[in-house]
Amino acid sequence: KNEVEQSPQNLTAQEGEFITINCSYSVGISALHWLQQHPGGGIVSLFMLSSGKKKHGRLIATINIQEKHSSLHITASHPRDSAVYICAAPGYGGSQGNLIFGKGTKLSVKP
Amino acid sequence: DGGITQSPKYLFRKEGQNVTLSCEQNLNHDAMYWYRQDPGQGLRLIYYSQIVNDFQKGDIAEGYSVSREKKESFPLTVTSAQKNPTAFYLCASSIAPLADYEQYFGPGTRLTVT
Repeated sequence: KNEVEQSPQNLTAQEGEFITINCSYSVGISALHWLQQHPGGGIVSLFMLSSGKKKHGRLIATINIQEKHSSLHITASHPRDSAVYICAAPGYGGSQGNLIFGKGTKLSVKP
Repeated sequence: DGGITQSPKYLFRKEGQNVTLSCEQNLNHDAMYWYRQDPGQGLRLIYYSQIVNDFQKGDIAEGYSVSREKKESFPLTVTSAQKNPTAFYLCASSIAPLADYEQYFGPGTRLTVT
């Protein structure tokens, strides 16, 4: 069964800083998910990627399939980026099995 | 607007009572999921349904039950057999039951049992 680890658990940044959140997994997968959980609890999907890099606004997600590692970057961070960021991967490799979720990285951006 | 609704947002129950959490989607998705979130832990899968009238146990199904009589609806019942029911419950759906499809989440229900 896949194991998904995130680091760091908590992250505090000043507004404008470049943020990196890391995710590693143990079994090769078809796609990795990045999600954002707002303080009220709602979760939105940010990215689903199987190779290379994806960009949406100030958010960039990268994945290295060989190293079983993905990163989420936030450029020019803003207090509204404060949230919990979660990565998730298929439970049994490839696209098999339901998603296994990391414990999340709690990001706080100070003005 | 298409999306997933969960109700209520907050729910309080006495120990020993069954309680049913609602989840409705108008995205025309085949697959639906129930997750439980506890502080410091990742989301854990309770039950999932790939199609109407079918559902499967997830990793922590004990003490829970579900039904899927309509494509739009996937209610979760927390029974009195669930030893530690206080948690945040999230419902999600995806167009198909594979892990490489995007999942859409509802706003969640926070259940407190005393």
